[in-house]
Amino acid sequence: QVQLQESGPGLLKPSETLSLTCTVSGGSISSYYWGWIRQPPGKGLDWIGYIKHSGNIYYNPSLKSRVTMSVDTSESQFSLKLTSVTAADTAVYYCVRHNFDNRGHNWFDPWGQGTLVVVSS
Amino acid sequence: DIQMTQSPSSLSAAVGDRVTITCRASQDIATYLNWYQQRPGEAPKLLIYAASSLQSGVPSRFSGSVSGRDFTLTISSLQPEDFGAYYCQQSQSSLPTFGGGTTVEVK
Repeated sequence: QVQLQESGPGLLKPSETLSLTCTVSGGSISSYYWGWIRQPPGKGLDWIGYIKHSGNIYYNPSLKSRVTMSVDTSESQFSLKLTSVTAADTAVYYCVRHNFDNRGHNWFDPWGQGTLVVVSS
Repeated sequence: DIQMTQSPSSLSAAVGDRVTITCRASQDIATYLNWYQQRPGEAPKLLIYAASSLQSGVPSRFSGSVSGRDFTLTISSLQPEDFGAYYCQQSQSSLPTFGGGTTVEVK
């Protein structure tokens, strides 16, 4: 079964760039959309965006000016970059696979275990 | 953006209780609604997709239904491993949004 694992720095200073990588194992990274969702401590879930290896990309408009996603099929990885971080970007960041059926229904499964990123001076 | 309003925000229940969680969409989303469970300290896990389809491996005590813009997640007989948070998520628009969550606590 497909498993996802996030990796990247856990502590950043304000104005720095957050860079996370998600490694996909147990399945092909092609033919699917892959995405990122974050959860501030004690709060709910916010969708950041998703990307397909073919280059189709969708970002949350609220973050679009600061977000870049990419896919490396040779390494079975996809990545997230978020520039100019502030304390408001402190959250657990999850990588997910975005699944679609032939009726257009779509859902997030599986999820990585999540990685906490803290932005603090 | 499509807003998802979950209720209640928290509830207390005992093992064996029937539990119902509701999610209301701010506009028509047909059956484009998913439910996730998040146990403390863990990542969310998909329970129900397309409003009423049970994800493979999820116990049959979980079920989902829809009536207009109102969606319901029902746990027919609460088990110890069911305590935690539950989130709905609409997938009708190109901007997926989640409900605020419902925490199910031990009574």
